[in-house]
Amino acid sequence: LAKTTQPISMDSYEGQEVNITCSHNNIATNDYITWYQQFPSQGPRFIIQGYKTKVTNEVASLFIPADRKSSTLSLPRVSLSDTAVYYCLVVGYSGAGSYQLTFGKGTKLSVIP
Amino acid sequence: KAGVTQTPRYLIKTRGQQVTLSCSPISGHRSVSWYQQTPGQGLQFLFEYFSETQRNKGNFPGRFSGRQFSNSRSEMNVSTLELGDSALYLCASSRDWGGNNEQFFGPGTRLTVL
Repeated sequence: LAKTTQPISMDSYEGQEVNITCSHNNIATNDYITWYQQFPSQGPRFIIQGYKTKVTNEVASLFIPADRKSSTLSLPRVSLSDTAVYYCLVVGYSGAGSYQLTFGKGTKLSVIP
Repeated sequence: KAGVTQTPRYLIKTRGQQVTLSCSPISGHRSVSWYQQTPGQGLQFLFEYFSETQRNKGNFPGRFSGRQFSNSRSEMNVSTLELGDSALYLCASSRDWGGNNEQFFGPGTRLTVL
């Protein structure tokens, strides 16, 4: 079962690029990495998912090095509305359709004007 | 398109009681997953249902159970409540089962056990 570690909090100024790294040292070969964003009093919201190398969508990029022991969520030019908690999720399949979901503890991003 | 809805939004119970939480998924989504969120433990997976069958289960005691109906709506039940069961219970729906599918979360039910 993969364990995930993320920084507890980060601060950034508006307009800057923010990179949040998640460590998953014992990630299995078939595990995917997913990131979710959560605002207060709301459920998490899907941001991006990847397996290896780089994935980009309209809101973020996800970088996964070759050893896959970590992943970095990159948010370009953050605004105040990006202030939220960001969770790294590793999904590990153990065969016969069984899988385990391991969420990180979350990184609280505070964007400063 | 309506999002995932959960009822009730807030609930107060006492130790030893049981509670049932309800979740209505997004139309067309057949998978419903349940999570417990607490400040200390974070987000923890409870179980996932697809086509009325439990597909996967997290590491929670048997006091936590669930079911899914033919219309994909799901309920979660916690029996013999303990103080430590106080948490935000989140429901998420997706088109297919398996953790890699994009999940759409509801706002959660805040359960307080006194």
